[in-house]
Amino acid sequence: QTVVTQEPSFSVSPGGTVTLTCGLSSGSVSTSYYPSWYQQTPGQAPRTLIYSTNTRSSGVPDRFSGSILGNKAALTIRGAQADDESDYYCVLYMGRGIWVFGGGTKLTVL
Amino acid sequence: QVQLQESGPGLVKPSETLSLTCAVSGYSISSGYYWGWIRQPPGKGLEWIGSIYYSGTTYYNPSLKSRVTISVDTSKNQFSLKLNSVTAADTAVYYCASLDYGNNPRFDYWGQGTLVTVSS
Repeated sequence: QTVVTQEPSFSVSPGGTVTLTCGLSSGSVSTSYYPSWYQQTPGQAPRTLIYSTNTRSSGVPDRFSGSILGNKAALTIRGAQADDESDYYCVLYMGRGIWVFGGGTKLTVL
Repeated sequence: QVQLQESGPGLVKPSETLSLTCAVSGYSISSGYYWGWIRQPPGKGLEWIGSIYYSGTTYYNPSLKSRVTISVDTSKNQFSLKLNSVTAADTAVYYCASLDYGNNPRFDYWGQGTLVTVSS
């Protein structure tokens, strides 16, 4: 069974830079998995941030960027703000119509 | 702007069938997106349940496939989820969403979600 791994939690100082990662329990994440990233605040539906590794969704500030770092997908947030404090989920497209979510990373800005 | 709204019973008894509908507005369900269901147990992460195209093509999470049916009603511009033989582990917020399976696969638009509790 494919498991998509994310850091359970991370913290960043206001104005700082943080990189969250998205890996596979077996193997490497590449652009072929079309990694996408979603932001979720408590009680709200997820919001699409990044898709196809590094394409920002409409209206997403350029403080958010996506990439492949080593064998993982990565979401980098520059100039962290208080309202970036959220849960962040990555999703990988496994092919044949199948998607697998990561467990999510709880980001604290303090 | 695509808008999605989930509806259905908020309480389902164990062993019964969970049924939800997602009404789509601002976009014709036949125009090109796939349509899907995602769930989130309280305090936990997101899980993709399955997706459907207006033509009826479906994809299901292998771990749920034996219990899930997703259908589409183009005349009402809506799609539906049925999950049978539910247990307490199926208690979750259920979201519907539009999915792009094209050159840039992604979940695009999301509904606000609806909480379904499985309890007697």
